[in-house]
Amino acid sequence: DTAVSQTPKYLVTQMGNDKSIKCEQNLGHDTMYWYKQDSKKFLKIMFSYNNKELIINETVPNRFSPKSPDKAHLNLHINSLELGDSAVYFCASSLSRSRLSTDTQYFGPGTRLTVL
Amino acid sequence: DAKTTQPNSMESNEEEPVHLPCNHSTISGTDYIHWYRQLPSQGPEYVIHGLTSNVNNRMASLAIAEDRKSSTLILHRATLRDAAVYYCILSPNFGNEKLTFGTGTRLTIIP
Repeated sequence: DTAVSQTPKYLVTQMGNDKSIKCEQNLGHDTMYWYKQDSKKFLKIMFSYNNKELIINETVPNRFSPKSPDKAHLNLHINSLELGDSAVYFCASSLSRSRLSTDTQYFGPGTRLTVL
Repeated sequence: DAKTTQPNSMESNEEEPVHLPCNHSTISGTDYIHWYRQLPSQGPEYVIHGLTSNVNNRMASLAIAEDRKSSTLILHRATLRDAAVYYCILSPNFGNEKLTFGTGTRLTIIP
């Protein structure tokens, strides 16, 4: 009964390839996020979607494209992978896009991407 | 985003209370104070949050200074499972739900 799940857990690929990471939440939340944690352990927001609508798009290369087929899923597609894309990617969700910032975010277990 | 300052690391003995400080001198009146923690090889998890008053939940307590320029996360009885990186995060209560993580405090629990 994992609340926020991600697949795969590990992803090893060559430079230049295109890959996807999937995220699903079964909490009935309206908002989902992607965060990136680099090798120095800094955790940064990449994207946020609410009910399939993009609401946060930080300065991320356009090789990264989130796709939300429904509000329970937010997938991350990465084209033309580069060495610097190696990181742990975390998906998260929160209840709603209300004007309150008190909505707790629930994080997935992470996907460790290694680009060779 | 308002900035927070935390010690890089702290140690505590098992079964003793732990006080994790956070300075946020530029906090605005509408900023909530959130604490998350990240256990090894896991995603961050919510610990507690507050605005002005002290808060308690089953995991921890949050003590907020009267001027709100600092706060302290209190683990009442640390266990080995509490070893993690603890993040103090400010988040405004209008229109912006992103969490801006700093470097956090790495808490080591000594058996």
